[in-house]
Amino acid sequence: DAKTTQPNSMESNEEEPVHLPCNHSTISGTDYIHWYRQLPSQGPEYVIHGLTSNVNNRMASLAIAEDRKSSTLILHRATLRDAAVYYCILRDGGSGTASKLTFGTGTRLQVTL
Amino acid sequence: EPEVTQTPSHQVTQMGQEVILRCVPISNHLYFYWYRQILGQKVEFLVSFYNNEISEKSEIFDDQFSVERPDGSNFTLKIRSTKLEDSAMYFCASSGQLLSNQPQHFGDGTRLSIL
Repeated sequence: DAKTTQPNSMESNEEEPVHLPCNHSTISGTDYIHWYRQLPSQGPEYVIHGLTSNVNNRMASLAIAEDRKSSTLILHRATLRDAAVYYCILRDGGSGTASKLTFGTGTRLQVTL
Repeated sequence: EPEVTQTPSHQVTQMGQEVILRCVPISNHLYFYWYRQILGQKVEFLVSFYNNEISEKSEIFDDQFSVERPDGSNFTLKIRSTKLEDSAMYFCASSGQLLSNQPQHFGDGTRLSIL
């Protein structure tokens, strides 16, 4: 699986937007960019994914660079409940059978009042 | 919203004993996974399962581990003879499709403590 690089930690104030960066300079043309998060004492939770175009859902937005070598997860208004470890994961879509998720160390997001 | 449920939430077992961790995946999902997370470390893939067969397994998933879908709803992970280093959070996940653009849905895990 292609490697991703994320900052170890970030801080945000509540109700402010948060931009979580991810570098994936060795991404291949068929890799999907997935984001998961893990709240304290819980299992990982799917957030969003994309291939080439920017994506929005009820939880977040995903901005993908034109060269696809980096992406940014955007939480539009952080709340205390968004404090978690955020993982950026590449999944190979070329074979059609890639199954596992390969987690890195992620970015620990702290949200303060 | 449907969710993956895991039982028990915490399992304490003597070293050398067998343990079975149970999971009920989302009802219409066909692909099932186990991951583990040792305290303070990364989430690690163990095994994926589809159509009553293992699709992929990691080097962690040795002969001491086995998985089974004994009925239409449960998915289990068995560790035959537990070791101290098996102490970890074990997460079950399921997805409706195997494709890389489909999310996996995780349970909240079973904390396994080996004494």
